[in-house]
Amino acid sequence: NAGVTQTPKFQVLKTGQSMTLQCAQDMNHNSMYWYRQDPGMGLRLIYYSASEGTTDKGEVPNGYNVSRLNKREFSLRLESAAPSQTSVYFCASSSSARSLMNTEAFFGQGTRLTVV
Amino acid sequence: GENVEQHPSTLSVQEGDSAVIKCTYSDSASNYFPWYKQELGKRPQLIIDIRSNVGEKKDQRIAVTLNKTAKHFSLHITETQPEDSAVYFCAAPLFKTIFGAGTRLFVKA
Repeated sequence: NAGVTQTPKFQVLKTGQSMTLQCAQDMNHNSMYWYRQDPGMGLRLIYYSASEGTTDKGEVPNGYNVSRLNKREFSLRLESAAPSQTSVYFCASSSSARSLMNTEAFFGQGTRLTVV
Repeated sequence: GENVEQHPSTLSVQEGDSAVIKCTYSDSASNYFPWYKQELGKRPQLIIDIRSNVGEKKDQRIAVTLNKTAKHFSLHITETQPEDSAVYFCAAPLFKTIFGAGTRLFVKA
């Protein structure tokens, strides 16, 4: 039981490049989320998906797109990376059918992204 | 929308002392209140949570108290140890989970 798995763990991009961060969970969870964490800062919600086929914006969605490919996988895409997107990205999942309303969130190990 | 304020942002205690971190939330419909611990370079992990029908919950050295009237809940760590040094986040999940900004706890040996 791997829990929540993110790839890659580290990535360096040049400004304007694109990339997709992959996330998969094996806990049969309904809800999945993408957060970013800047140095010394808290967790800010980028997008979330309450169920397969649905996605919604969080606090900071600009510059990102997401795809809930199936119940297991939720990817985050940066179409044109900017230095302001340098951050640690965490994927999370929860058994809640809506947001993290009433159940524990399980986090992936994070992706450290640097945009130069 | 939901707003969560967490205080203090930094807390330094001597080993063996107690530490208290407080969170205030805005949406009275919130009914689940978790606390997460994040060690340096690691992922956040749940350490304790409480539901709105309970006023207090304990798990060994950690406890969470909830005051729904005042819309705040607190994390209490007793007999702190160096391994308690980490960043602690509260959350008041509703439709979009909003985390507090975090409290960096330093436990000095």
